[in-house]
Amino acid sequence: DVVMTQSPLSLPVTLGQPASISCRSSQSLVYSDGNTYLNWFQQRPGQSPRRLIYKVSNRDSGVPDRFSGSGSGTDFTLKISRVEAEDVGVYYCMQGTHWPRTFGGGTKVEIK
Amino acid sequence: EVQLLESGGGLGQPGGSLRLSCAASGFTFSSYAMSWVRQAPGKGLEWVSGISNSGANTYYTDSVKGRFTISRDNSKNTVYLQMNSLRAEDTAIYYCAKTAQLDSWGQGTQVTVSS
Repeated sequence: DVVMTQSPLSLPVTLGQPASISCRSSQSLVYSDGNTYLNWFQQRPGQSPRRLIYKVSNRDSGVPDRFSGSGSGTDFTLKISRVEAEDVGVYYCMQGTHWPRTFGGGTKVEIK
Repeated sequence: EVQLLESGGGLGQPGGSLRLSCAASGFTFSSYAMSWVRQAPGKGLEWVSGISNSGANTYYTDSVKGRFTISRDNSKNTVYLQMNSLRAEDTAIYYCAKTAQLDSWGQGTQVTVSS
């Protein structure tokens, strides 16, 4: 199975400051169709997860543009340009290229 | 608007069975793959199983292979997860999600395995 490794585990951030989360995969996530199926999810406290980013860098509908995704191959990053209070929660990367799908362990974003 | 409504959770006995259902609306159900993801208490997300839009192809994480079966009824816009030989470590919130890339999620249903 593809192992997804996220860092850091915990990310205390000052409101208005940027935040960055790393996600690395144990194998390339480039699919045979040329796409890279790397997704990012946000889970706010007490809520279901929701997808923020798909195929590395595409924002889902309704996702603020302060969220951005980048990367290629096995190395990916989620950035929040200016953290707001509503961004508190746990963020997960997930590879959607190989079966079984696998998630990173999660990064908890909290306000300092 | 996409809506996914899970049901069927509850208390199951070790070695017993439960069947989860996920009723979908707001999209052409038969055109999309569907997935199940779980979250044990205080833990991260774990992908459990997926099924193609026709039901012809199914996928499982190793820990549930041979015990869980995913299926779907496109006439009822519903996907199922039959859970047999339940273990304590299956205790989790089970989420239904649309597509193999999990673009929309339900609210989840709690499964507790305990004697």
